[in-house]
Amino acid sequence: EAGVAQSPRYKIIEKRQSVAFWCNPISGHATLYWYQQILGQGPKLLIQFQNNGVVDDSQLPKDRFSAERLKGVDSTLKIQPAKLEDSAVYLCASSLTGAAYEQFFGPGTRLTVL
Amino acid sequence: AQSVSQHNHHVILSEAASLELGCNYSYGGTVNLFWYVQYPGQHLQLLLKYFSGDPLVKGIKGFEAEFIKSKFSFNLRKPSVQWSDTAEYFCAVTSNTGNQFYFGTGTSLTVIP
Repeated sequence: EAGVAQSPRYKIIEKRQSVAFWCNPISGHATLYWYQQILGQGPKLLIQFQNNGVVDDSQLPKDRFSAERLKGVDSTLKIQPAKLEDSAVYLCASSLTGAAYEQFFGPGTRLTVL
Repeated sequence: AQSVSQHNHHVILSEAASLELGCNYSYGGTVNLFWYVQYPGQHLQLLLKYFSGDPLVKGIKGFEAEFIKSKFSFNLRKPSVQWSDTAEYFCAVTSNTGNQFYFGTGTSLTVIP
């Protein structure tokens, strides 16, 4: 089966600019996750969707980050405006619904903010 | 809030040595526990998971982990490592409802041939 797709793979922007990342989960996976992974740290969950509803966004910096999954399939994560500390790899993962199911991860988008 | 601690940040072993990577979590409720691995240049992938039942869980590639509830631990073990086990290993925990997913900081394992 096709895996989780993410684009772009790399992005370099200047601080205060905006950026958007796209994720297409595995077909049939109702749950979608966005993570931020800063160098030397583990992935940090930013937001979790089930279909097009938000399950958990407690760690999403809502003043600058936003995410949507309008049709319950693909999703976009936006940062506006970006700060230097947003430099990280942004990972998207998907799973069937429920804690018992494995998350499948995409390749990630490496963001560098200058 | 939940947290996950991985005390070993970098581990270097020779081939055939035994491996044990520590993982401790803090959460008062029922948890589900995972170990994920990221091989160089590849995506994160699941090694093994624990939800209930036998606390000794076997995963892929000869890995296993033991859930010790009294110690809030879920240590990863392998009796004999191979060069191909060189990777970053992440412990993760989630509540039994499947949200609030937390990863540890990861342990970088290097296996010397």
